[in-house]
Amino acid sequence: SYDLTQPPSVSVSPGQTASITCSGDKLGDKYASWYQQKPGQSPVLVIYEDRKRPSGIPERFSGSNSGSTATLTITGTQAMDEADYYCQAWDINTVVFGGGTKLTVL
Amino acid sequence: QVQLQESGPGLVKPSETLSLTCTVSSGSISNYFWSWIRQPPGKGLEWIGYISYSGSTSYNPSLKSRVTISVDTSKNQLSLRLSSVTAADTAFYYCARTHNGYDRTWFDPWGQGTLVPVSS
Repeated sequence: SYDLTQPPSVSVSPGQTASITCSGDKLGDKYASWYQQKPGQSPVLVIYEDRKRPSGIPERFSGSNSGSTATLTITGTQAMDEADYYCQAWDINTVVFGGGTKLTVL
Repeated sequence: QVQLQESGPGLVKPSETLSLTCTVSSGSISNYFWSWIRQPPGKGLEWIGYISYSGSTSYNPSLKSRVTISVDTSKNQLSLRLSSVTAADTAFYYCARTHNGYDRTWFDPWGQGTLVPVSS
């Protein structure tokens, strides 16, 4: 089966840039999506097709995907960005999610 | 803006069948794919499967033997049945509109989710 690996936690200071990685075998050959989940809420799509932002998602969220790593970057991180983030990809007729990364803004 | 709302029993006993319904409002269920995704409390996300508006399905291989997803276009609803449940099936269950291409899939929007405990 295909696996996506994320760091369990990432910390960032307000106003700085946060980078959350997602690793998988030849992930760059697939399309990655990213979801934000705040406590007690359902996930929200923040990036799809590696780098596209849905309507309503702030420009400070961006994505990239190359080689074996997809990266979600939050530029000028705000306190409201503190959440769990999940990457996701499609592999041979099945959907795979990463284990999630808790982003702490402190 | 399309909205999704999951509904179902608050508790399921071990060995029984879990049944949930997702009602789609402010939009048609047609012309899209729809998924069920679950999340055990405090843990990560797991895709259960999806169905197209025409009824074609794809399931997570790890759950395939126990899962049935169906759609009722007349009611703008999709349903999930998961048989022979155990405590390991205790989770928040979400439905989500699924954007599905040849080599890509993403989920937007999601329902608010419903917690289904499995306990005697």
